[in-house]
Amino acid sequence: AQTVTQSQPEMSVQEAETVTLSCTYDTSESDYYLFWYKQPPSRQMILVIRQEAYKQQNATENRFSVNFQKAAKSFSLKISDSQLGDAAMYFCAYSFTGNQFYFGTGTSLTVIP
Amino acid sequence: GAGVSQTPSNKVTEKGKYVELRCDPISGHTALYWYRQSLGQGPEFLIYFQGTGAADDSGLPNDRFFAVRPEGSVSTLKIQRTERGDSAVYLCASSLGGGKNTGELFFGEGSRLTVL
Repeated sequence: AQTVTQSQPEMSVQEAETVTLSCTYDTSESDYYLFWYKQPPSRQMILVIRQEAYKQQNATENRFSVNFQKAAKSFSLKISDSQLGDAAMYFCAYSFTGNQFYFGTGTSLTVIP
Repeated sequence: GAGVSQTPSNKVTEKGKYVELRCDPISGHTALYWYRQSLGQGPEFLIYFQGTGAADDSGLPNDRFFAVRPEGSVSTLKIQRTERGDSAVYLCASSLGGGKNTGELFFGEGSRLTVL
């Protein structure tokens, strides 16, 4: 069974500092996709970053980057130069078929001015 | 439309009533998903449509839940004999679809259902 675990219910970071959100997952597949989604109070979830498991290079999108450790089944998100607008719930997600996405329970990120 | 539109934004109903939640996906997106998000939890998969057909409905919790997408665009999630445990935010998402979807899901803002 595929499961996604986010062990940090809440995190906080000072504005302009760096924070890392953790995610682990369980799968027996070798080729799959991992995602980080952001959910602000408006409830609309937005894709932050995507990683394909067969790619060894970690994905990067501006201030957002991942540390993908396939053997350890770990997929952490690093946010650099944190901004007030980064405050939100962050969900890690896994997909093998591309049809069904499995989400973690989320990490609530607070950015302190 | 420009984005995924869900109506109503909020719905309060009484236990035992029938509820319909509507989702209008992004134009041209053939794949449509329904998720349920309970307080403090991540989205939980309910059903996935590819075109007009339900390609995977394994997440529907029981036979009180049903979803349709008759013309391959707008979808309606129907809940019969609502129970207090059905209270949650129901999220709809769409994507380009077609085979293995490696792309992102585009979510609506959700419909918050409260069953009294």
